[in-house]
Amino acid sequence: GAVVSQHPSRVICKSGTSVKIECRSLDFQATTMFWYRQFPKKSLMLMATSNEGSKATYEQGVEKDKFLINHASLTLSTLTVTSAHPEDSSFYICSASRSARGEQFFGPGTRLTVL
Amino acid sequence: RKEVEQDPGPFNVPEGATVAFNCTYSNSASQSFFWYRQDCRKEPKLLMSVYSSGNEDGRFTAQLNRASQYISLLIRDSKLSDSATYLCAVNPTNNAGNMLTFGGGTRLMVKP
Repeated sequence: GAVVSQHPSRVICKSGTSVKIECRSLDFQATTMFWYRQFPKKSLMLMATSNEGSKATYEQGVEKDKFLINHASLTLSTLTVTSAHPEDSSFYICSASRSARGEQFFGPGTRLTVL
Repeated sequence: RKEVEQDPGPFNVPEGATVAFNCTYSNSASQSFFWYRQDCRKEPKLLMSVYSSGNEDGRFTAQLNRASQYISLLIRDSKLSDSATYLCAVNPTNNAGNMLTFGGGTRLMVKP
């Protein structure tokens, strides 16, 4: 159990376009999902906490209008990178938590390249 | 002081060696602790939880030292496939809605 999928795995897009990334918990219900980004050889950076049915909580410095998060159901959260620019190129990873202890299970990540 | 700190390494060890990593945390009220493994260009994968009584899974042993506020990961009989970055994570409460605070990771390279 505890499988999280993420789609797409890789995206290459032109500057100015919007990119939508889906994160699904396949075999459990996740009231809370998390979105991270990671630059090469750097540590995970939490972007936002996504709660089903309510607005996401963004970390300091993360623009909510730039990174739109929707958590429509207990198994699906989406991250939309709006008007992407080359500096948004990164590895985006979602995770979901299922137990009181709070361990998170990660999706396989989405590698975004903005030209 | 960072909330969760790890020695970035790299730790270069020969096959068969025993290697240990520590991870210190600043919030003394932290309740849940985890070790993750992350391969290059992949997502982190949960390696093991760290319980107050310690936790052993095959060649891997995790321990918690609340007095000194650190957790450790011991790997015995290292394999080439153990080469990866090991991340510790701390949850300040037993609450699934709480974010985990991750350390920066310790890179392990096991050589033939």
